[in-house]
Amino acid sequence: GAVVSQHPSWVICKSGTSVKIECRSLDFQATTMFWYRQFPKQSLMLMATSNEGSKATYEQGVEKDKFLINHASLTLSTLTVTSAHPEDSSFYICSAYYGADTQYFGPGTRLTVL
Amino acid sequence: ELKVEQNPLFLSMQEGKNYTIYCNYSTTSDRLYWYRQDPGKSLESLFVLLSNGAVKQEGRLMASLDTKARLSTLHITAAVHDLSATYFCAGGATNKLIFGTGTLLAVQP
Repeated sequence: GAVVSQHPSWVICKSGTSVKIECRSLDFQATTMFWYRQFPKQSLMLMATSNEGSKATYEQGVEKDKFLINHASLTLSTLTVTSAHPEDSSFYICSAYYGADTQYFGPGTRLTVL
Repeated sequence: ELKVEQNPLFLSMQEGKNYTIYCNYSTTSDRLYWYRQDPGKSLESLFVLLSNGAVKQEGRLMASLDTKARLSTLHITAAVHDLSATYFCAGGATNKLIFGTGTLLAVQP
């Protein structure tokens, strides 16, 4: 149980376009979902925390107008990278939490901006 | 604010040898997690340590937690090639994890 999926797993886009990444909890309802970014050979950095039906809480230094997060239901959160630039190229990982002792991580989405 | 540091950052091991990865954290942490990440993949949960003195073992990996020293260790026994990966510890609360820098483990034959 406690499976989290992400779609797409890999996306290439042109600079200036927007990209949407979906994160779904498949077999449980997630009270909270998290979005992380990981640059090559680096650790995971928390970008934002989202609770269903409320605005996301962004970490310091993360532009909320650039990284739009929507958590419309207890099983779906989306991250939209607006006006993407090459420096936004990264591995984006979501996780979901429902009150247990751990977060459950999705498989990640690799974004490449040309 | 919680800071989590791991050492070493890179570890080259010979098969059959034992070694330990250290995870230090700066302030009180509710719990301590260990994860494994294979190249290009997401995180696989290894251990959750919830209290001082907690020890958990799975196969060749054993994790422990000393909350007084603010230290967790991941001990690898008789390393095998399949253990090659990056290992992360993370502290904080379940609803806000702070990850360590990661340790890249390479097991050589």
